[in-house]
Amino acid sequence: DAGVTQSPTHLIKTRGQQVTLRCSPKSGHDTVSWYQQALGQGPQFIFQYYEEEERQRGNFPDRFSGHQFPNYSSELNVNALLLGDSALYLCASSSDRGSNQPQHFGDGTRLSIL
Amino acid sequence: KQEVTQIPAALSVPEGENLVLNCSFTDSAIYNLQWFRQDPGKGLTSLLLIQSSQREQTSGRLNASLDKSSGRSTLYIAASQPGDSATYLCAVRRTGNQFYFGTGTSLTVIP
Repeated sequence: DAGVTQSPTHLIKTRGQQVTLRCSPKSGHDTVSWYQQALGQGPQFIFQYYEEEERQRGNFPDRFSGHQFPNYSSELNVNALLLGDSALYLCASSSDRGSNQPQHFGDGTRLSIL
Repeated sequence: KQEVTQIPAALSVPEGENLVLNCSFTDSAIYNLQWFRQDPGKGLTSLLLIQSSQREQTSGRLNASLDKSSGRSTLYIAASQPGDSATYLCAVRRTGNQFYFGTGTSLTVIP
């Protein structure tokens, strides 16, 4: 049973560029959340997708956008990259059956902005 | 806004010692609290999830407790091993779907 998979594992971009990160949820999960984790910090919630719609959003600018596909996989897009966007981007999946379903995380994409 | 604090930020113990990690949160209106382990450069591994109606959960050498009224949770690790060395994060889920994370406790178990 494959867990949450993310691609790519590492990415290097320059300021002003755009980036797309991808996530495939754990089998049986229909909800995908994205988090940004800066070095030495806890993950910060970016947004969550369910039924191909953004269901909730954290305190991130519109440069951060996403998409969920019919097979529940998801993309995170970041435009006009800033140096401060350098971080580990984590995808988490869960089932929407009830409020007490645990989140399962992928290994993340390490994004470095030069 | 939910604030989650983890103390201590770092902890170093000799192998075999029992230890307690602490997590506190400011808003007691939570659905659940989840403890995670993170190895360097890796994603998060779920350890235990405690629902708001529960007081504790156990898995092997791990025991997590929850006192919602006081806004506190503890993770107890029995008979620590060098393989337990990692960063431990707690996360709380409030109404809605957003999880709030602490900054973690970095644990080193010395052989």
